[in-house]
Order: sequence, then C-alpha cells, then structure tokens
Amino acid sequence: ELKVEQNPLFLSMQEGKNYTIYCNYSTTSDRLYWYRQDPGKSLESLFVLLSNGAVKQEGRLMASLDTKARLSTLHITAAVHDLSATYFCAVGRIGNQFYFGTGTSLTVIP
Amino acid sequence: DSGVTQTPKHLITATGQRVTLRCSPRSGDLSVYWYQQSLDQGLQFLIQYYNGEERAKGNILERFSAQQFPDLHSELNLSSLELGDSALYFCASSSDAPGETQYFGPGTRLLVL
Repeated sequence: ELKVEQNPLFLSMQEGKNYTIYCNYSTTSDRLYWYRQDPGKSLESLFVLLSNGAVKQEGRLMASLDTKARLSTLHITAAVHDLSATYFCAVGRIGNQFYFGTGTSLTVIP
Repeated sequence: DSGVTQTPKHLITATGQRVTLRCSPRSGDLSVYWYQQSLDQGLQFLIQYYNGEERAKGNILERFSAQQFPDLHSELNLSSLELGDSALYFCASSSDAPGETQYFGPGTRLLVL
C-alpha cells in the first residue's frame, strides 16, 4: 500500500522566516501534486511536478521533486500571514489516482 | 472557483438513514473522484469514475456506492449511516490527461446525529 508522509504535521512560524515542508512517499511515482486548503474550504491546486528534478515556483512558494529519494519539498520564503493554511502533497499513480499526505497545518504569526 | 459543483453544501441526518451527494465535474472532464475528509482519517480516496465506468476503488465502505451518469455528473450514495460517517465529502474532476491535476469541488459537509 502506498504511504505518503508529510512533516511536520504542524508548523508555526514568524512572518519573514523561511521553512520547508517535506513529503515522503513509499513507492515509485513521477507525479507529485501540492494543494492548499483554507479552514472549512476546498483544496486548491498549487503545483504539479512531473519529473525527477522538477522545480516550480509561485510567489513565496517553491516545490521540488526528487523521485529517486521519493521526496518532495515545499519551501516557504519570507512567510506572510496569508500563507496560513493546511498544505497537502499527493502522489499520482496509475489511473490518475491520488494518494494524499497527512497535511501540514501552517500558521504564520505576525 | 474550480468549476466543480457539489450539492448540497450541508446535510444533517440521523443514524441508519441514507443520503445522496451530487457532483458536476468541470466542463470536458471525464473523470470524477470522491474523497472523504475527517479529522481522524485525513483525506481518503473513495472511488473514481471515468466516462460512466468505475475505474478504481479506494477505502470505500460497502454501505457506500457511487455512479456516473451519461451527462458525467456523479452521485455518491451513503446508506445505513453511522456517527463515524460524519465528514466532509469532496468530489474532484480531471481530464485524465497524464499529469493533469484534480480540481476539487466545495464539498458537502455531512453530520450524522
């Protein structure tokens, strides 16, 4: 069974600081997705990573994928309060099924 | 707005009852996915339909069933409801092109009393 683990589960950081969320998965995949979920809301797609070494950036967020290490990272640069949310990674498998990680709840403190 | 719609937004019902959740995918998307999100189980994949046919099953209970209709909308049926079925149920859709992301609907919040 494919397992997707994120860490940390909870992250409290000050505005202006940098931090990284890690996503490890247990089986081969070359497709990794990052989503954001605000409290009580739906999931919003952030990044799609489709190959080893892929790097995508949007604003203060940068995602990367290392398929050999089965690891993706979501790096936050100079955090701002608006980034407070829960972030999920998802591994794509055959048939476009997604297996989601546990989520990382991020709180950015002014 | 993802383009995926779900109804109803909220549903309150009693144990033992049956409910139907409805989802309309984005225009042109053939795949529909159902997920359950709860505090203790996280985000769980339930089932996938592609162009009317069941494609994959995840952690879906036997009391739950789904279907996708010719117009591509989908329904998730939950029967013999238990307290533990209280959760947020999401529908997502995609074009199923390789690497395509899934677009999530706003969800249906189910409360079983």
